[in-house]
Amino acid sequence: QKEVEQDPGPLSVPEGAIVSLNCTYSNSAFQYFMWYRQYSRKGPELLMYTYSSGNKEDGRFTAQVDKSSKYISLFIRDSQPSDSATYLCAMRTGRRALTFGSGTRLQVQP
Amino acid sequence: EAGVTQSPTHLIKTRGQQATLRCSPISGHTSVYWYQQALGLGLQFLLWYDEGEERNRGNFPPRFSGRQFPNYSSELNVNALELEDSALYLCASSSYIGGNSNQPQHFGDGTRLSIL
Repeated sequence: QKEVEQDPGPLSVPEGAIVSLNCTYSNSAFQYFMWYRQYSRKGPELLMYTYSSGNKEDGRFTAQVDKSSKYISLFIRDSQPSDSATYLCAMRTGRRALTFGSGTRLQVQP
Repeated sequence: EAGVTQSPTHLIKTRGQQATLRCSPISGHTSVYWYQQALGLGLQFLLWYDEGEERNRGNFPPRFSGRQFPNYSSELNVNALELEDSALYLCASSSYIGGNSNQPQHFGDGTRLSIL
């Protein structure tokens, strides 16, 4: 079993829809939780960075962390075709390297 | 502020050769992390350098090695290249303030290594 599980998709939604992306994890030592967006032939771009359980909002993006359930989510409101990319959840303990989910490919249809 | 820069963008080698990949972190960042993103395998951790020292390495053979220079830039060396080494190699950097104030990792656009 992988330490971080993420549905690979692809997930196809119409423009303007609310998108929900999720990851589950097994290592209770994880402290920091991140969401990255990766366009084709580019490196991952940091979207959200959280330390504790709860919600964090930044523009159209909301990240949720539930440490008791070992479950994290990313919500994208008013999705745009430019949001079409692969979304990677990542987490770590302290300053250690990141452990990534496999990524969810999102396609927003105009 | 300039982001993480990696060179070269693309590198083509043959089996058995050696490859050197380079990374310049964001100014002020002292930690550099290397990851491999192979098709179907996701992002896997290779090496972590901080303040010139190797702090941790992932589950990769010793022919993957590297170093960090006094200016915090880093290079990754891969010896005796094998076909399965074909992948996107990503470098990330971060800073450390202290206590629990760990900063997130920011990535470059990677070096695509192709083994023929």
